[in-house]
Amino acid sequence: KNEVEQSPQNLTAQEGEFITINCSYSVGISALHWLQQHPGGGIVSLFMLSSGKKKHGRLIATINIQEKHSSLHITASHPRDSAVYICAGGGGATNKLIFGTGTLLAVQP
Amino acid sequence: NAGVTQTPKFQVLKTGQSMTLQCAQDMNHEYMSWYRQDPGMGLRLIHYSVGAGITDQGEVPNGYNVSRSTTEDFPLRLLSAAPSQTSVYFCASSYSIWQGANTGELFFGEGSRLTVL
Repeated sequence: KNEVEQSPQNLTAQEGEFITINCSYSVGISALHWLQQHPGGGIVSLFMLSSGKKKHGRLIATINIQEKHSSLHITASHPRDSAVYICAGGGGATNKLIFGTGTLLAVQP
Repeated sequence: NAGVTQTPKFQVLKTGQSMTLQCAQDMNHEYMSWYRQDPGMGLRLIHYSVGAGITDQGEVPNGYNVSRSTTEDFPLRLLSAAPSQTSVYFCASSYSIWQGANTGELFFGEGSRLTVL
C-alpha cells in the first residue's frame, strides 16, 4: 500500500477554473514535495513544504500536519498547466521519498 | 550551470547485457538518487547517496549497482538487464532532502528511456 495517496487520478478543467489536487500521507512523513511533469518531459520541483502554505505565481500549496494532508491549488488555470502533478513525502532520518502515483491534469481552452 | 545531466536519453538492450546510466550535477549537491517510473506507478527509489563514498538502497535495488566516488557523479549500473527493467529512469539531486534554512528543492535529470528486449 502506497503511503502517499493522491486524488483525483485524472482531472479535466476548463481554462480559468480553480483547480485543487489532494495528497494524503501516512505517519512518518513530515514534509511534502509537489512536482510537475509535462507529457514526455522532465520533472520539475514546484514546492517543498513542512507546514503552512507557499505561493508561487498562480500555484499555492498547503499542508496540514495534523490531518496528514496537502493540497496543490492552481488559480486561473491555463492549457499550459496541463501536466502530471506528483506529491512525494518523506521525513525523519531515512532520506527516502515516497511518491504518489500522480494526477493527470488537462486544461481545455 | 547545467543542473543535472543524465545520459543516455534512450537505450535498447538485449536481455543479459550490462550498461551504465550516467548522472552528473554541478550544483555541489550532497544528495543524489535514482528512480524508475513505470506506467500506473509512482516514482520508485532505486538507490541514493547522501555524499561521496556513501550509498544506500531504496525501494527497488535488485539488479542495480551504484557508486559515488565524487560529489558530482552518481552512475547507475545494470548488471544483467532483464525485460522487467524496461522503464524510464530519472536521476535527481538536492542539497539535502530536509532543510531547515533552504528550500530542499529537488532537481531532476531529463530521464533515460530504457528498453530491454
